[in-house]
Amino acid sequence: GEDVEQSLFLSVREGDSSVINCTYTDSSSTYLYWYKQEPGAGLQLLTYIFSNMDMKQDQRLTVLLNKKDKHLSLRIADTQTGDSAIYFCAESISGGSYIPTFGRGTSLIVHP
Amino acid sequence: DTEVTQTPKHLVMGMTNKKSLKCEQHMGHRAMYWYKQKAKKPPELMFVYSYEKLSINESVPSRFSPECPNSSLLNLHLHALQPEDSALYLCASSERTGQGGEQYFGPGTRLTVT
Repeated sequence: GEDVEQSLFLSVREGDSSVINCTYTDSSSTYLYWYKQEPGAGLQLLTYIFSNMDMKQDQRLTVLLNKKDKHLSLRIADTQTGDSAIYFCAESISGGSYIPTFGRGTSLIVHP
Repeated sequence: DTEVTQTPKHLVMGMTNKKSLKCEQHMGHRAMYWYKQKAKKPPELMFVYSYEKLSINESVPSRFSPECPNSSLLNLHLHALQPEDSALYLCASSERTGQGGEQYFGPGTRLTVT
């Protein structure tokens, strides 16, 4: 079945790295996504990774995928106060409609 | 242009009112979606349109009625809503269903039912 889990909160100091973790259960996952949602706003797709990749880097963002453990992480380097938001992990499954299934979201708080 | 627009931004309606939410995209996407999001929760899928035809209805009550008049527009008609329907309603689009990839979200309409 489909189940995406994330820890609910993460607090970091400005300038440090943040690592947000996610686990999923469906081995048929094809795409794994990270979305960012700022207060009162819609979801912004930050990055996504194909399940045949181990890592993807885009500026301050690094996504790591451990397919054996079904574990996905998002690392944000040099975290800024503007990175404070809720981060949703999502997966989509091959053979279906590919509509993402979302985790509950991790609330990232960046303090000075 | 990778923008999905939604109007209005905020809507307050009574339980006997009829109102509509609108969503528009000009990216040539043929899949459009409505989601409902409660505070501190992930988005919940409501409807999916593929090539202007309703392809998924996630057992949504009939007081929500979607409409896709053309490939760029998606409406959600609201009638006789309940206070528990108060939420952020998000529209999204993607190139098409059945292939994965990027799904773009609008900013949402904050709906309050009194």
